[in-house]
Amino acid sequence: ETGVTQTPRHLVMGMTNKKSLKCEQHLGHNAMYWYKQSAKKPLELMFVYSLEERVENNSVPSRFSPECPNSSHLFLHLHTLQPEDSALYLCASSQDLENTEAFFGQGTRLTVV
Amino acid sequence: GQNIDQPTEMTATEGAIVQINCTYQTSGFNGLFWYQQHAGEAPTFLSYNVLDGLEEKGRFSSFLSRSKGYSYLLLKELQMKDSASYLCAVLDSNYQLIWGAGTKLIIKP
Repeated sequence: ETGVTQTPRHLVMGMTNKKSLKCEQHLGHNAMYWYKQSAKKPLELMFVYSLEERVENNSVPSRFSPECPNSSHLFLHLHTLQPEDSALYLCASSQDLENTEAFFGQGTRLTVV
Repeated sequence: GQNIDQPTEMTATEGAIVQINCTYQTSGFNGLFWYQQHAGEAPTFLSYNVLDGLEEKGRFSSFLSRSKGYSYLLLKELQMKDSASYLCAVLDSNYQLIWGAGTKLIIKP
């Protein structure tokens, strides 16, 4: 138990569907992150939030839309995805942006069909 | 560009010692992390090095040479539960983590 919880653990969706991934952290951290993990590739940072404000967006396609309603919750809204978007999506949090000992959730295994 | 290199896969024997290397080229340096990730689970923090030298923590040790852009993770008295992927990550000058692709460690009896 890392203190970061992601739901759902597994998701299969069609290319025309709309779905959302949820992340919740119980650590009192100020920074939260979305990562994409594909097989045999480095973790790809997608979005960074600090104190509920987005501070990083690494050229992620608009079919991925993040939302951070408060410092404990982070969402990733998905729509019209492509099969190449199938991957493990990891949420992480850290005390702040400079202290990046990150605590990860167990991820959502996404399959786009 | 920024780059982290580590071997894709390594195999070792239970009870033995294994060293996983990581070399990096990044825009600035604010520390190097090692994480462990078991299949289907979250990465978990193992170590953080910001100064040159060896940091020991139980069976695991991590070494850093900033001048060489090099680190290694040393695992002693290997146990079957150490079978996992080991991720190297460097914190660059913008405090962004740059990740390696991970080393899958297979432990054989």
